[in-house]
Amino acid sequence: GAGVSQSPSNKVTEKGKDVELRCDPISGHTALYWYRQSLGQGLEFLIYFQGNSAPDKSGLPSDRFSAERTGGSVSTLTIQRTQQEDSAVYLCASSLGTGELYEQYFGPGTRLTVT
Amino acid sequence: QKEVEQNSGPLSVPEGAIASLNCTYSDRGSQSFFWYRQYSGKSPELIMFIYSNGDKEDGRFTAQLNKASQYVSLLIRDSQPSDSATYLCAVKSWHGGSQGNLIFGKGTKLSVKP
Repeated sequence: GAGVSQSPSNKVTEKGKDVELRCDPISGHTALYWYRQSLGQGLEFLIYFQGNSAPDKSGLPSDRFSAERTGGSVSTLTIQRTQQEDSAVYLCASSLGTGELYEQYFGPGTRLTVT
Repeated sequence: QKEVEQNSGPLSVPEGAIASLNCTYSDRGSQSFFWYRQYSGKSPELIMFIYSNGDKEDGRFTAQLNKASQYVSLLIRDSQPSDSATYLCAVKSWHGGSQGNLIFGKGTKLSVKP
């Protein structure tokens, strides 16, 4: 079946502009996670959704970052007033649930470049 | 701060050899462990998941878990040049407000030489 999809695949934006990144999880997956991967850095957890609810936003790097999920499916990650340090690959993963035995499957990512 | 440590490599092995990738973790309460393969410019791809102490085999891949030593490894038998990639070790986190997000090591770069 279809995997996790993300759009756009690449985004170049000017410093100070807002960007919106989209994730479409595997059908039926109730849990959705956002991570980012910066050059030379490991994968960093940002936020997760169980259904439409994001119980913990503490992983978001600053208040310029926000995320929402609607209809228990598509999620958008919004970065306001982008800064050069926001340049990274933003990865979305989905899972059937949040328990120990549930595996997470990643989408292809959105490469964000802030100039 | 929960940590996952991996040797960054590069680990170079000849084609047909066994590649051994290692990972240690700091949270003694961790229960489930994942190995992802990441080709350059691509997203992580799940290879193996292990929950119980001991070995778990899937084709040419074997994951080994030793919770007492807080150590998890991935063995790749009959290594092929197509196995050349960065291998990421990940542990599920349940602390604070987290609900099953993964904490990743920085990955080991494997190079299989023909």
